[in-house]
Amino acid sequence: DQQVKQNSPSLSVQEGRISILNCDYTNSMFDYFLWYKKYPAEGPTFLISISSIKDKNEDGRFTVFLNKSAKHLSLHIVPSQPGDSAVYFCAAREGGSQGNLIFGKGTKLSVKP
Amino acid sequence: KAGVTQTPRYLIKTRGQQVTLSCSPISGHRSVSWYQQTPGQGLQFLFEYFSETQRNKGNFPGRFSGRQFSNSRSEMNVSTLELGDSALYLCASCRTGGSYNEQFFGPGTRLTVL
Repeated sequence: DQQVKQNSPSLSVQEGRISILNCDYTNSMFDYFLWYKKYPAEGPTFLISISSIKDKNEDGRFTVFLNKSAKHLSLHIVPSQPGDSAVYFCAAREGGSQGNLIFGKGTKLSVKP
Repeated sequence: KAGVTQTPRYLIKTRGQQVTLSCSPISGHRSVSWYQQTPGQGLQFLFEYFSETQRNKGNFPGRFSGRQFSNSRSEMNVSTLELGDSALYLCASCRTGGSYNEQFFGPGTRLTVL
């Protein structure tokens, strides 16, 4: 059973607008969440993370929101740029400093000029 | 500083064969994790090695194994290959492990099993 779900396999957004990527999880023991970005023929690169004790973390154009009661997190990209076009993976870690990362299946974002 | 390197980048094997993939972490990184990426399942954790010891293991059959050498380089082996093993195999390194925001991924090895 999938513990981390990204229900939208793809998303298309106009340049300059907001991109919102969503992620749901089922395991209440997850204490740390991350977003990775992956370009074709490259490995994923870390984008932004959030601890379960927070509900928001911001880094430049990227903001991650966490709603623990709904077991939902989202990544907002504002403003979206064509270079943001990539596959975005949501990942979660079970409590404990050496817990494995559980990844979602990814959402392919296309930002059109 | 050189990034994580993986060799080979592409590999074609037939069912029943075995394969060994290699990962060289960033200099100074002692933790190496391996992931399998398939279109249907996304990224799935295989195992993590730290200081030549397997520290974490995902839910994969025993046909998947790995090891780490004293220079932190790691190898992953898959025996008795099945069609479903066709995937992109990614390795990631970090200094001590557990610091996922400092985890760096290699470009992956694309394995095709015919």
